[in-house]
Amino acid sequence: QQPVQSPQAVILREGEDAVINCSSSKALYSVHWYRQKHGEAPVFLMILLKGGEQKGHEKISASFNEKKQQSSLYLTASQLSYSGTYFCGTEHLDGTSYGKLTFGQGTILTVHP
Amino acid sequence: SAVISQKPSRDICQRGTSLTIQCQVDSQVTMMFWYRQQPGQSLTLIATANQGSEATYESGFVIDKFPISRPNLTFSTLTVSNMSPEDSSIYLCSFGDTEAFFGQGTRLTVV
Repeated sequence: QQPVQSPQAVILREGEDAVINCSSSKALYSVHWYRQKHGEAPVFLMILLKGGEQKGHEKISASFNEKKQQSSLYLTASQLSYSGTYFCGTEHLDGTSYGKLTFGQGTILTVHP
Repeated sequence: SAVISQKPSRDICQRGTSLTIQCQVDSQVTMMFWYRQQPGQSLTLIATANQGSEATYESGFVIDKFPISRPNLTFSTLTVSNMSPEDSSIYLCSFGDTEAFFGQGTRLTVV
């Protein structure tokens, strides 16, 4: 089942904050976050494995709720380099999908000067 | 971190022909994955390539259309067979579990 990402697009000025959400109808084994710039391959940002987990650093961080069905990516004090499409990738708990990711539809983030 | 090389980076092919995409990793990996990304869309998993066994295909993808080889732990190929314009897409290989590393992608245009 494809996770649902929201919003579909975000436009920011430099220095503004954004939150991108990723939701699943079933509990997940893990959630990954990637950023893809136009014409390039996705680049790994972080993985969350534990319910209630929060990780990352001051500028880019993420959380995973206790039920392991919802994750949020927080982009703080955005920079021009943050522009791109953000994808969450999820792994499910069926025991057969280790390493196999189902991606959300993506969130296009545009940061203007 | 490991390096993954994918080629060709792009190709324009005639309908009805086949294209084989190669993916080389600089270290041994257990599983490799092949994804398709249609223009402006998300990534969709085509199949999981395991060394020494047949690839495992996701719903909507079949071996006759997308045969995969995995002769060793560092290399895999994906063939897009009997191509039609609907196969125009970016194809990406990847590996990794706690962090997925992606090849640079193959941008395929079928005319």
